[in-house]
Order: sequence, then C-alpha cells, then structure tokens
Amino acid sequence: KQEVTQIPAALSVPEGENLVLNCSFTDSAIYNLQWFRQDPGKGLTSLLLIQSSQREQTSGRLNASLDKSSGRSTLYIAASQPGDSATYLCAVREAYGQNFVFGPGTRLSVLP
Amino acid sequence: GAVVSQHPSRVICKSGTSVKIECRSLDFQATTMFWYRQFPKQSLMLMATSNEGSKATYEQGVEKDKFLINHASLTLSTLTVTSAHPEDSSFYICSASPLLAPSYNEQFFGPGTRLTVL
Repeated sequence: KQEVTQIPAALSVPEGENLVLNCSFTDSAIYNLQWFRQDPGKGLTSLLLIQSSQREQTSGRLNASLDKSSGRSTLYIAASQPGDSATYLCAVREAYGQNFVFGPGTRLSVLP
Repeated sequence: GAVVSQHPSRVICKSGTSVKIECRSLDFQATTMFWYRQFPKQSLMLMATSNEGSKATYEQGVEKDKFLINHASLTLSTLTVTSAHPEDSSFYICSASPLLAPSYNEQFFGPGTRLTVL
C-alpha cells in the first residue's frame, strides 16, 4: 500500500530564506506527483505537477524535483514571503489506478 | 481554467438529518471525481472515486450506505451524508480530473464544504 510522508511536519522561517520541503513515497510505481498549498479552512491550490517521466518543474519561486527510483520529491521555495505561509501537501497518483495518496503536509510559517 | 466549485461552502445540521453536497466542474468535463474528508490538522483521506454513469468505488472503511455518491453527468457529482451524526462533522473536499488533455491526469480541487452536525 502506498504511503506518503512529509518532513518536516512544521517549519518556521524568517522572511527571505530559501527553504526545502520533503516528500517521500513507498511505491515508485506512480503516474505523477503533485504539490498543493492549503490555507486554513480552504481547499487546495495546485502548485506543481510532475509527471513520472520528469525530473523537475518550476513555477516562479517554486521548484519541485522528483526522484522516482528513490521515492522522493522536494519542493524548493526561494526568497520566502509571509504570504507563503500555509500547509503544503504532496500527493502521488498511483500508476495502476486513479487514486491520489496524500502526505500529512508541512505547515509553513514565514515570519515578517 | 479548470475550476471546481462546491456547494454549500458551510452547512450546519441537526443530528439525524441528511445533507447533500454538490461538486461541479465549471469549465471542463470530468469522467472521474473524487471525494475526500479532512479532519482538523490532518491530511486528506480519500473516501470514494466517483465515475460518471456508474457506481462509486468506496475506500475501505467508508460506509457506502451512509455516504451516498451520485455522478449523474460529466460536470456534477453529489455526496449525501445520510442520518448525519456529530462524528461526521468534517471538511469535505471534492476534486475532478479533466477528460481531455493537456490536464487529463491532474486533479483540480473544489474549495471544500465545512459540515457541522449538532
């Protein structure tokens, strides 16, 4: 059974720092991996989608990498801002079904 | 593009009543929609996969008679919580995967519905 973990569970950094969020999954047979942002009491906003054949994706200050063989993905946030404060979730789409399996999330606080 | 809406955004009901939550894909067609629930400070747990025109597939431990899912069209899926109890209070989120490229294997999420059962 696919399991997704995220480290750290929570992170607090001063504004301007570069930071890395980690996501690990146990079964490398995935279709894709997606990073989301969730603000308190809100739905999910998709940040980046990486197909299983890709190594990384970039959008603005965000860069996500994927190492499928080792079951790892990282989300790199450059020059963090207070507006980046949210919970970041990663999810993998299993190769043999339609299911997405979510990690528990990393709660990020960027202090002004 | 790829917008998913949910209605209502918040609902408070008495124990024993039934509540229906709608999930719509506004600008794309989706053969598959997913229903998740999220407890406070926890991640999303998949409840069921809803396929247009067929019965939903429920995850282990999810009571299909309690959480009725109907996917009547390519843009609408509904979740009905029957005989709701306080332990059903949660944040329910739906998602949809577009039928066509280029985003056909990506999930787009609705804003969620906060259910409170008194």
